[in-house]
This record gives sequence, C-alpha cells and structure tokens, in this order.
Amino acid sequence: GAGVSQSPSNKVTEKGKDVELRCDPISGHTALYWYRQSLGQGLEFLIYFQGNSAPDKSGLPSDRFSAERTGGSVSTLTIQRTQQEDSAVYLCASSLDRMNTEAFFGQGTRLTVV
Amino acid sequence: DQQVKQNSPSLSVQEGRISILNCDYTNSMFDYFLWYKKYPAEGPTFLISISSIKDKNEDGRFTVFLNKSAKHLSLHIVPSQPGDSAVYFCAASARTRDDKIIFGKGTRLHILP
Repeated sequence: GAGVSQSPSNKVTEKGKDVELRCDPISGHTALYWYRQSLGQGLEFLIYFQGNSAPDKSGLPSDRFSAERTGGSVSTLTIQRTQQEDSAVYLCASSLDRMNTEAFFGQGTRLTVV
Repeated sequence: DQQVKQNSPSLSVQEGRISILNCDYTNSMFDYFLWYKKYPAEGPTFLISISSIKDKNEDGRFTVFLNKSAKHLSLHIVPSQPGDSAVYFCAASARTRDDKIIFGKGTRLHILP
C-alpha cells in the first residue's frame, strides 16, 4: 500500500512477555518515528530513525524498550518483560527527508498488557 | 518539561462558527510547526504546517497563525463543520538541527449542531 503500515493492529499479551511491533514506512521515506499514546495522554515521542541509525533514542521509557530499522525501511519496536503501564497505542510515522517535512502516521498498534 | 503545550483539553464550537485552537511552545530552536487531526482508532493525519519565516499559512477553511515573539501559534477553522470534530495535535520541530517532531497533548474539538 501507499501509506504507513503497522502490525499487528491489536495485541494482548500477558505481563512479563516480550512483544514486537512492526512498522512499514512509506517507500522512500528516510525518517521514521515511534510514538505512543496512553489513555487520555498526548503523543509521547519514543525514538527517531534517520536511515538505519537512531540519532535520538531519548524517549525510550526504559531499557526494556528497543528498536531497530533495517535496510532503511522496516522498523521493529521490541518491549521486553511487558508491564501493565506499557499498555498504549504505539504509533509509527515516516517522513520524506531529514528536514522533517510532514510525517505520515500508521493506524497504530493497540497494546494491552494483562 | 513540556516543550509544546496545548492548555485546552477540549473545546466546543457551534457548527458554522470559527474554531480557534491554541498552542504554546518553549523551545526557541523550533522552526517548523504542524497541526494534525486524529479521529478515534485512526492514526493522526497531517492538516497544515507553517515555517518560522512566515506568520500565516492558509489552506481552505484552515489557517495557522504564528507569533514567534510570544512563542504561540493557533489554528483557525472557519466555518466549522461536523466532520471537524476530532482531537487536534500541535507539533513542532527544529529542522535546522534535524530534530524530532514534538507533539502537544491535543485538544478535543466538538462541533455542536
């Protein structure tokens, strides 16, 4: 498709399990962002990729969170030993170039930790 | 430390009237500002943007105003329509630093019939 694609759209996991969230950005977009939105909250920045490198990881909440991007395209956000406070909608966005032209968002992955 | 602030969590406006959504920022390095609209269960969609070299940008019913000295921007929607009911996020970035996009907490706009 032409837009940003995220999978899965919904994920329910047990506390303590690891989860992987996937983002397929728009083809040719070099910048990729991960955000999360907790219930009633705004968009919290997690990590930003330019190509395959992550110049800014400052938003990752703890060392249980990690992300990688391969081939300048697909990105995976991994949460290890999930906790209930990790429950949120995880949103991925991509933009064309390093000058932060408009970022296009996927529909998000709703993560529920029970 | 919240760099982009939307102090009104919600706003109700009569259909046909003007909706004004406000946003303040603290980082003087920000040079590019964006507004996004979000419906429930969907990702945010880009609405309109403005560079710091301008003070106004208009696109149809949507106009964004930037007051750099006050570190304030606003989104005007006129006339407001029922389909405008959504959460609106203000965002900013420091493009000259190749920096990330920072979002505010959003304002929920209700358009009343």
